[in-house]
Amino acid sequence: AQSVTQLGSHVSVSEGALVLLRCNYSSSVPPYLFWYVQYPNQGLQLLLKYTTGATLVKGINGFEAEFKKSETSFHLTKPSAHMSDAAEYFCAVTSRGSYIPTFGRGTSLIVHP
Amino acid sequence: SQTIHQWPATLVQPVGSPLSLECTVEGTSNPNLYWYRQAAGRGLQLLFYSVGIGQISSEVPQNLSASRPQDRQFILSSKKLLLSDSGFYLCAWSVTAGTYEQYFGPGTRLTVT
Repeated sequence: AQSVTQLGSHVSVSEGALVLLRCNYSSSVPPYLFWYVQYPNQGLQLLLKYTTGATLVKGINGFEAEFKKSETSFHLTKPSAHMSDAAEYFCAVTSRGSYIPTFGRGTSLIVHP
Repeated sequence: SQTIHQWPATLVQPVGSPLSLECTVEGTSNPNLYWYRQAAGRGLQLLFYSVGIGQISSEVPQNLSASRPQDRQFILSSKKLLLSDSGFYLCAWSVTAGTYEQYFGPGTRLTVT
């Protein structure tokens, strides 16, 4: 069985500061990895995904994530936070050949002016 | 391009009343379809998923049911709502091959009073 751990239910940063949202997974084989963003009272939107190949993945809105197999991690980063980045972020894992993802519990990103 | 619709957007229902939430997808054929629930302050809970018309898998035993009467239509129902059914209900779709990233609808906010 696979699992996803998002360290920190809330992360607070100042506008312009680095954003780092952590995601660790457990899986018997390298899975597909995803980050989704959810703005208040909206559905989730795919930010980026890792499937194969280059381990540094770029997504929308200036976010990127790096797959580190040895650390079983897929942390999400953005060099400079913007007020509009305030949202809930979910990391998700899907085993290859499965269409049922496992979601982390989410991290709420708070951006201070 | 593909779009996913959910309605109603918000719903307030008394305990014991029936429920019907509808989800439709446009621009794709034979998608996998999913129903999730988000309770306040909690993560995503997968309720049902479907890989084809009439094929429904339940992840959590409860007083909810799902149906897929048409290829791109997914309905969530209940005969008698409980207070614990309150939450934000999300419908999602994914392709039936590849990496199975999910695309979410705008959600329905259900309050059971």
